[in-house]
Amino acid sequence: NAGVTQTPKFRILKIGQSMTLQCTQDMNHNYMYWYRQDPGMGLKLIYYSVGAGITDKGEVPNGYNVSRSTTEDFPLRLELAAPSQTSVYFCASSPRGRGYYGYTFGSGTRLTVV
Amino acid sequence: DAKTTQPPSMDCAEGRAANLPCNHSTISGNEYVYWYRQIHSQGPQYIIHGLKNNETNEMASLIITEDRKSSTLILPHATLRDTAVYYCIVRGGTNTGNQFYFGTGTSLTVIP
Repeated sequence: NAGVTQTPKFRILKIGQSMTLQCTQDMNHNYMYWYRQDPGMGLKLIYYSVGAGITDKGEVPNGYNVSRSTTEDFPLRLELAAPSQTSVYFCASSPRGRGYYGYTFGSGTRLTVV
Repeated sequence: DAKTTQPPSMDCAEGRAANLPCNHSTISGNEYVYWYRQIHSQGPQYIIHGLKNNETNEMASLIITEDRKSSTLILPHATLRDTAVYYCIVRGGTNTGNQFYFGTGTSLTVIP
C-alpha cells in the first residue's frame, strides 16, 4: 500500500518556467489537499478537493492551479514560476465524512525557483 | 475555526513526560482540538484529537480543560525520536472539506 505518492522529490526551476507537481493516492480517499511550507513556517493550504471534478481555494492559491479528473490524482500546476514559490510542497488525502478523519501526507516536493 | 496559541519552543529530558500547552480561548462548542507533529522534512503525522473529554492513545494523552479554552498534549516518556514540531489545531466538526489550517506550532527538542 503506497499511500500518497508525490513526484518529483526535488526540482529546480528558472523564473518564468512552468511545471506540474504530481500527487497520487491509492486509498480511495475522496478528499485531497496541497500545502506549501516555507522554511521555519507552518503549512499553508493552497487548494483542496472534495472529489473528482471539484476543487476549491485554500489560504494561498495565487500562482497555482489544480485539477481533479480522477479520485486518485490531484496535480498542482505552477505557471510562470517566481522565487516566492520556493518552498516544500506537501500533498495529503483523507476519507470523506463529518467529524475527524486523519490526513495521510506524501513525502513532499522540494522546489527551488532561481 | 478558532485560533490557537502555542509556545514556539520547548525542551524535555529523554524519558520524562513532555507537556505541550495550547491556548484556544475562542473555541466554540462544536470545534475539536487536534494535534499533529512534523518530524524534520517529513509530512505531518496525526497524533490525537478530542472534543471535551480527555483522550489517550498509544502515542499520547490529550487533556482539555473544563472550559475548553486550553489543552495539553502529553508524551508520557519522551524519546529522541519525539523531537519534532507539534501543531495544535482547532477545527469545527462541520468543516465540509475537512481542511486543517496549520500554525507555526511548538518545536520540541528531547535532550539525551
